[in-house]
Amino acid sequence: EVQLVESGGGLVQPGGSLRLSCAASGFTFSSYWMSWVRQAPGKGLEWVANIKQDGSEKYYVDSVKGRFTISRDNAKNSLYLQMNSLRAEDTAVYYCARIRGGLRGWYFDLWGRGTLVTVSS
Amino acid sequence: SYVLTQPPSVSVAPGQTARITCGGNNIGSKSVHWYQQKPGQAPVLVVYDDSDRPSGIPERFSGSNSGNTATLTISRVEAGDEADYYCQVWDSSSDHPYYVFGTGTKVTVL
Repeated sequence: EVQLVESGGGLVQPGGSLRLSCAASGFTFSSYWMSWVRQAPGKGLEWVANIKQDGSEKYYVDSVKGRFTISRDNAKNSLYLQMNSLRAEDTAVYYCARIRGGLRGWYFDLWGRGTLVTVSS
Repeated sequence: SYVLTQPPSVSVAPGQTARITCGGNNIGSKSVHWYQQKPGQAPVLVVYDDSDRPSGIPERFSGSNSGNTATLTISRVEAGDEADYYCQVWDSSSDHPYYVFGTGTKVTVL
């Protein structure tokens, strides 16, 4: 079965760190750009970061630059998000998503169920 | 940065047609993608590249894009279509590519 399964979420204090993981199965993980997308409680979707197939290119939304690091291990079919210096506004469900290329842009064709990160004292 | 604007809510009776708009500057020059998100669930891609449907998505879901507005149309609406819907584009106009989501529209089936 083609799927993405996130893990690693939880409650963390402001200024703390957390590492999210995403396990991919059912497809050739190393052939795809991958991404993290988040959704704050009751809010809309926000793209966070993405990474190229071989890890050579990484991009981030401005609000997490310098604090979050996306990485991948193709041998383990896994995607990661290292989150440091966490803030209350980082509280959200974090989704792992597979990226596909379209006619004039890119989109997310496969999503995991998400993992909740709560930043609070 | 590029902004996508959607109406907060749309209400429709079963069997009728729901139209959800997504406004953006010259959005017709971009590919627009649509996601359905039911409460407590992950988003699901329902339309990509303006009007194409992924495998398994009913033909009742269709899309169009022109000028400054893209539209997701749900024909013969069913109770199971009640969900939040988000449009999305890929914006390459800034110093690095961005994935932009619309503000989201809650579809209520009366």
